[in-house]
Amino acid sequence: AQSVTQLDSQVPVFEEAPVELRCNYSSSVSVYLFWYVQYPNQGLQLLLKYLSGSTLVKGINGFEAEFNKSQTSFHLRKPSVHISDTAEYFCAVSLSGGSNYKLTFGKGTLLTVNP
Amino acid sequence: KAGVTQTPRYLIKTRGQQVTLSCSPISGHRSVSWYQQTPGQGLQFLFEYFSETQRNKGNFPGRFSGRQFSNSRSEMNVSTLELGDSALYLCASRGDRGRNTEAFFGQGTRLTVV
Repeated sequence: AQSVTQLDSQVPVFEEAPVELRCNYSSSVSVYLFWYVQYPNQGLQLLLKYLSGSTLVKGINGFEAEFNKSQTSFHLRKPSVHISDTAEYFCAVSLSGGSNYKLTFGKGTLLTVNP
Repeated sequence: KAGVTQTPRYLIKTRGQQVTLSCSPISGHRSVSWYQQTPGQGLQFLFEYFSETQRNKGNFPGRFSGRQFSNSRSEMNVSTLELGDSALYLCASRGDRGRNTEAFFGQGTRLTVV
């Protein structure tokens, strides 16, 4: 079974500051990794995904994440945040093989960007 | 291209009742998955349907069931509602081009059980 741990439940930052949201995963088999964002009263929107290849993945809205296999981590970063980045962020994994496409999510990190 | 549509957006039901939620996937998508989101448990996988067949199921009691129609629209049913079923229920649809295709989520149905 897979599991995802998001190390910070809340991250407050000031506008234009850099931010890192941490994610660690556990799996005995190969997985794909994802970051989703959820704005209040909305569904989930995909920010970026790692399937294979380069360990540095760039996504929408200036976000990027780095896959580290030895540390089983997939941390999300943005060099300069905006007020509009205030939202909840979810790290997720899915199996890279087989017929089970389900996503296993972390508990989420609430990013609050203050002026 | 229209996104994933979930109806209704909000529901209030009484304990013991049953409820049916609906999800219309993106046109052409045959895979529909359902997730429950609660503050305590987070996002949990309920089940996935593909071409009218349940392909995978999460660890939920039998009170939670679903189905998918020939047009790929899916419904989720919860019988004998409990207070703990209060949650945001999210539906996601996916294209057919393998497991690296993106899951697109709807806005969810907020179910409140009183």
